[in-house]
Amino acid sequence: DGGITQSPKYLFRKEGQNVTLSCEQNLNHDAMYWYRQDPGQGLRLIYYSQIVNDFQKGDIAEGYSVSREKKESFPLTVTSAQKNPTAFYLCASSPDRGRVNTEAFFGQGTRLTVV
Amino acid sequence: KNQVEQSPQSLIILEGKNCTLQCNYTVSPFSNLRWYKQDTGRGPVSLTIMTFSENTKSNGRYTATLDADTKQSSLHITASQLSDSASYICVVSLSYGNNRLAFGKGNQVVVIP
Repeated sequence: DGGITQSPKYLFRKEGQNVTLSCEQNLNHDAMYWYRQDPGQGLRLIYYSQIVNDFQKGDIAEGYSVSREKKESFPLTVTSAQKNPTAFYLCASSPDRGRVNTEAFFGQGTRLTVV
Repeated sequence: KNQVEQSPQSLIILEGKNCTLQCNYTVSPFSNLRWYKQDTGRGPVSLTIMTFSENTKSNGRYTATLDADTKQSSLHITASQLSDSASYICVVSLSYGNNRLAFGKGNQVVVIP
């Protein structure tokens, strides 16, 4: 069935290592987003992409990188430059980059822990 | 300053009782306001989405209201159930054309039997 899938659900990383979080959607959505959620805080935008082969920095892009080679995939790499990477990461997608009242659908999240 | 403020931060209610969650925002102009439900360790799920011209929208036992003049929204939960225990997040769409969203920190609701 259709949806947005994040993997893995839990991820452990040693300090100094890069790690890539997967996000795949089969909803044929144009726009995809990565958010970070920390306890007691609202979601914060890391990167977003409104079309294949194009993406924009969000509010907290430092230490992260993304790619959008395919419409259905938007992987997020947490690099060693990210000083506080332990968090819950959420991927989302929405149908039409040109319309404002479209719904955003979220994946189930990946909890990254740096050990 | 956060553009979307929610209150109360957390509350505990008895099963079967009603409760109301508040959201105040400073974003202007905005295109729509959304309420999401987020279970612990899961992604948010949409409950309602309202444009600035809508005053109320219901989804089962959830009813959202919007007063664009005072920049306030509320989410009312009727006859609460144990499964309503979750964080409820108010989200405002910031501007036209690019779907940027401003998130509140959430209202943490715990329903006890």
